[in-house]
Amino acid sequence: DAGVIQSPRHEVTEMGQEVTLRCKPISGHNSLFWYRQTMMRGLELLIYFNNNVPIDDSGMPEDRFSAKMPNASFSTLKIQPSEPRDSAVYFCASSWDGPETQYFGPGTRLLVL
Amino acid sequence: RKEVEQDPGPFNVPEGATVAFNCTYSNSASQSFFWYRQDCRKEPKLLMSVYSSGNEDGRFTAQLNRASQYISLLIRDSKLSDSATYLCVVTKNSGNTPLVFGKGTRLSVIA
Repeated sequence: DAGVIQSPRHEVTEMGQEVTLRCKPISGHNSLFWYRQTMMRGLELLIYFNNNVPIDDSGMPEDRFSAKMPNASFSTLKIQPSEPRDSAVYFCASSWDGPETQYFGPGTRLLVL
Repeated sequence: RKEVEQDPGPFNVPEGATVAFNCTYSNSASQSFFWYRQDCRKEPKLLMSVYSSGNEDGRFTAQLNRASQYISLLIRDSKLSDSATYLCVVTKNSGNTPLVFGKGTRLSVIA
């Protein structure tokens, strides 16, 4: 039974480059969440979707960040242009009927030089 | 005030010891409460939900005090495999909502 799948698992890029992170939620889940984890700030919600519709994007740092969910099985988080302060672990999580069923993917470790 | 506050630790305890973690949350609208475990360089995973009546799962006991907005986790008979970061987690409000995480308490169980 596949869990949440994220790609790439690691990304190293240079400042100014575009970065795209991808997530495939667990089949049948109707909510998808993007979180970011840093040592300084811990785990923070960036945005979440319910039935492919963005519900709350108040955690998105600034206009450089954008997220889409074109269908129930795929979501992207894009950073353009990237900056060194974007370096973090980005987690995608999905759930179907409540927070107790929220499962996390393995994360994407992003390093912006 | 942070939404969820925890003592970052680290807590270094010998095998077999009992250790307790506490956290406080600021949003009285939070409806669901959890402890998550995160191993080094891994994703967070649900350890247990927390109920007002208190709940136990083997060596782990969780308690919630809504009036004080306080959550606790007790680990008895610590094992080496319990070494991890324990995250106190609440929901923003009711329903299928995002989770709000504390920064975690690091536990090291020493042989």
